[in-house]
Amino acid sequence: AQKITQTQPGMFVQEKEAVTLDCTYDTSDQSYGLFWYKQPSSGEMIFLIYQGSYDEQNATEGRYSLNFQKARKSANLVISASQLGDSAMYFCAMREGISGNTGKLIFGQGTTLQVKP
Amino acid sequence: NAGVTQTPKFRVLKTGQSMTLLCAQDMNHEYMYWYRQDPGMGLRLIHYSVGEGTTAKGEVPDGYNVSRLKKQNFLLGLESAAPSQTSVYFCASSITSGGYNEQFFGPGTRLTVL
Repeated sequence: AQKITQTQPGMFVQEKEAVTLDCTYDTSDQSYGLFWYKQPSSGEMIFLIYQGSYDEQNATEGRYSLNFQKARKSANLVISASQLGDSAMYFCAMREGISGNTGKLIFGQGTTLQVKP
Repeated sequence: NAGVTQTPKFRVLKTGQSMTLLCAQDMNHEYMYWYRQDPGMGLRLIHYSVGEGTTAKGEVPDGYNVSRLKKQNFLLGLESAAPSQTSVYFCASSITSGGYNEQFFGPGTRLTVL
């Protein structure tokens, strides 16, 4: 069965420093997609970054980058130069392979990040 | 372009009451999803739809029904609410099922069942 695991319930980081949020996944599909979403205290879900299983390079979006290690089945989110506004819950999610063709997402439990001034 | 909207934003029900949550999207997306989010857990898929007139069960479908009569709307119904259905409900949509296509989420509905 497909599964996403986020082992860090809570993280602290000093403002302007970099932080890595861990995500491991389990799937038997060869084709899949990995997503990170941010959920601030206001509750909305904000898409941050996407990595396809066949993408050879790690995805980057501004201060966000995804450290994709396919053999280890990990897709860690790296936030550089943390800002106070980065304080939020972060979810890693996986979309099942094309065989399912439904686009369903499986979410991890989330990591709460607090940025200290 | 409002994206994904959800109605209502908050609701309190008594056990046994029924209600319908409405999700609407104006992006002409084929795929729509209903998730619930409980404290300490990620989002879990309740039901989903791959196109107008279609629905399918997700991970936690018991106690819920859905309908997708129009492409832009996806309704989630609770026929007889239970306290275990107290949760935050999110609707999402996407244009396709694969590739670099994220799901766009609505703002959520906070439901409390007493």
